[in-house]
Amino acid sequence: RKEVEQDPGPFNVPEGATVAFNCTYSNSASQSFFWYRQDCRKEPKLLMSVYSSGNEDGRFTAQLNRASQYISLLIRDSKLSDSATYLCVVRAGTASKLTFGTGTRLQVTL
Amino acid sequence: SQTIHQWPATLVQPVGSPLSLECTVEGTSNPNLYWYRQAAGRGLQLLFYSVGIGQISSEVPQNLSASRPQDRQFILSSKKLLLSDSGFYLCAWSVFGGATNEKLFFGSGTQLSVL
Repeated sequence: RKEVEQDPGPFNVPEGATVAFNCTYSNSASQSFFWYRQDCRKEPKLLMSVYSSGNEDGRFTAQLNRASQYISLLIRDSKLSDSATYLCVVRAGTASKLTFGTGTRLQVTL
Repeated sequence: SQTIHQWPATLVQPVGSPLSLECTVEGTSNPNLYWYRQAAGRGLQLLFYSVGIGQISSEVPQNLSASRPQDRQFILSSKKLLLSDSGFYLCAWSVFGGATNEKLFFGSGTQLSVL
């Protein structure tokens, strides 16, 4: 089983729709969780950290479910500019490096 | 504010030729530095990381090497490139602020094509 798994998509949604991605991780001791956004042929950029209590940043909401070992990203009122690949990132422990998922591609259409 | 510079943006090299990619960070001291590779349609693979000058850890055995001659400079090299070395190479930095706070910030990447 991969350390971090994501549905590759693509998720094709109309503008204004709500879309959610999940990401599962294999190590129950994982401590840090992030979502990055990557545009085609560009570097990944930090979108948001994921906290145990869940957190929201504008139209974006991130949640952590430790019991089922997954994190989620919810995007409300999708914009064309949200089209990108969303990378799930997990740190297994205090001395571990960050592990990146292969990403979920989102395409928002008119 | 902190910035990271990585060059070149694009590189086409013949098989067997050498490689040198450079990355520098400004606006911070003693950063952790990383080299990642992203093959087409694949996830990011950690190649090397460094917690200080001259300290390099290799994650994947390969024909690549890394060096950190200065605090904010990280270099990725190869003596002889292979076709399989093609990919998108990303330099990244972080400042460790505790296990839950360390975040990576990436350079703009180098698209390497080995022909």
